[in-house]
Amino acid sequence: SAVISQKPSRDICQRGTSLTIQCQVDSQVTMMFWYRQQPGQSLTLIATANQGSEATYESGFVIDKFPISRPNLTFSTLTVSNMSPEDSSIYLCSVEMTGGGEQYFGPGTRLTVT
Amino acid sequence: GESVGLHLPTLSVQEGDNSIINCAYSNSASDYFIWYKQESGKGPQFIIDIRSNMDKRQGQRVTVLLNKTVKHLSLQIAATQPGDSAVYFCAENVGGADGLTFGKGTHLIIQP
Repeated sequence: SAVISQKPSRDICQRGTSLTIQCQVDSQVTMMFWYRQQPGQSLTLIATANQGSEATYESGFVIDKFPISRPNLTFSTLTVSNMSPEDSSIYLCSVEMTGGGEQYFGPGTRLTVT
Repeated sequence: GESVGLHLPTLSVQEGDNSIINCAYSNSASDYFIWYKQESGKGPQFIIDIRSNMDKRQGQRVTVLLNKTVKHLSLQIAATQPGDSAVYFCAENVGGADGLTFGKGTHLIIQP
């Protein structure tokens, strides 16, 4: 498995502002992903963070709203832009271990937008 | 799109009994399945996985069964303990895609 950390662990933000969430892994991984988990709900894939190229977004998610960076094989960021209360969720990064296929999740970032 | 669903939102079992959590999937192209456990305030924890070329896989106190004929997945937890209380999610990986599609989740409650 891998040790995955996220910063911040939680934040309360005002509408209209942006928040950047960081995800750090303790080993190099091929794939990194970002998910959203709305209160009391399941997880929904936002995008695949590609190292060295633009992220691949799922239907319903766009780069202008959720810009993603992945500068190397151990780090990625997700920005939630121009936030509204509907963006209040837990945002989780996950990694797929090289050659393993298993996905492991970080602890999540709990975002509240007021 | 295709979805992964769970039959029951809440499952209550006596401590020491066995638990069975079920999951139905609709996409026959799915070739990889994972069960996760999520405790309150934490990220999902990998429990066990199974590939479509297998019917059964066992771990420590857990067994995953895959029935491709009826597109059904189950997680069996033996001798449940208070620490097993959590929400359990099944997730699938559709052939050709790397991200996971998650089911709705089952809240497992262990009664003393």
